[in-house]
Amino acid sequence: SQQGEEDPQALSIQEGENATMNCSYKTSINNLQWYRQNSGRGLVHLILIRSNEREKHSGRLRVTLDTSKKSSSLLITASRAADTASYFCATDAYSSASKIIFGSGTRLSIRP
Amino acid sequence: EAGVAQSPRYKIIEKRQSVAFWCNPISGHATLYWYQQILGQGPKLLIQFQNNGVVDDSQLPKDRFSAERLKGVDSTLKIQPAKLEDSAVYLCASSPQQGVGELFFGEGSRLTVL
Repeated sequence: SQQGEEDPQALSIQEGENATMNCSYKTSINNLQWYRQNSGRGLVHLILIRSNEREKHSGRLRVTLDTSKKSSSLLITASRAADTASYFCATDAYSSASKIIFGSGTRLSIRP
Repeated sequence: EAGVAQSPRYKIIEKRQSVAFWCNPISGHATLYWYQQILGQGPKLLIQFQNNGVVDDSQLPKDRFSAERLKGVDSTLKIQPAKLEDSAVYLCASSPQQGVGELFFGEGSRLTVL
């Protein structure tokens, strides 16, 4: 079973625009992570936000976490062609801190 | 620092045949994960090791899948016999310790079952 579900499933935007992806999860968590996957490659970690944090920044990335709504969002500002990839959220269930479960992903396409 | 190594990168077999995938995690990483990623879906956890002990294998189809991590370092994932629905990318990941921080992924092993 998948803990997280991303929304939208696919997103196509113009280069330079901002991209927002959302993740909803079911159970209480210790932390939430976002990963990127380029076509045919492994996943690369982007950012981790802990359950007691509400917002975190890393370069052009901004992540928010709302534990009351069990949701998170990933904002990529000033998108570039190289940002074209699939993005996944991953959560660890509070009751099983070591088990990291991935969502279904958002496929992001950046049009030049 | 060397990353997570996986082999083979690609494998094509016929149904009912067997296949094995190998993973070498980052040196010193105690936790090792095997995920199955079917095309268009997110990675699904198959099995998790802490050193050479199994932490979670609740999603592993044990009638056909097996995995081991000898000496708490390298790991192999075996499928025997393979079914058409096993066609997927098998991703290995490692982390310094369980429940803390990011996972480091290999490039994956793409399996096609005909």
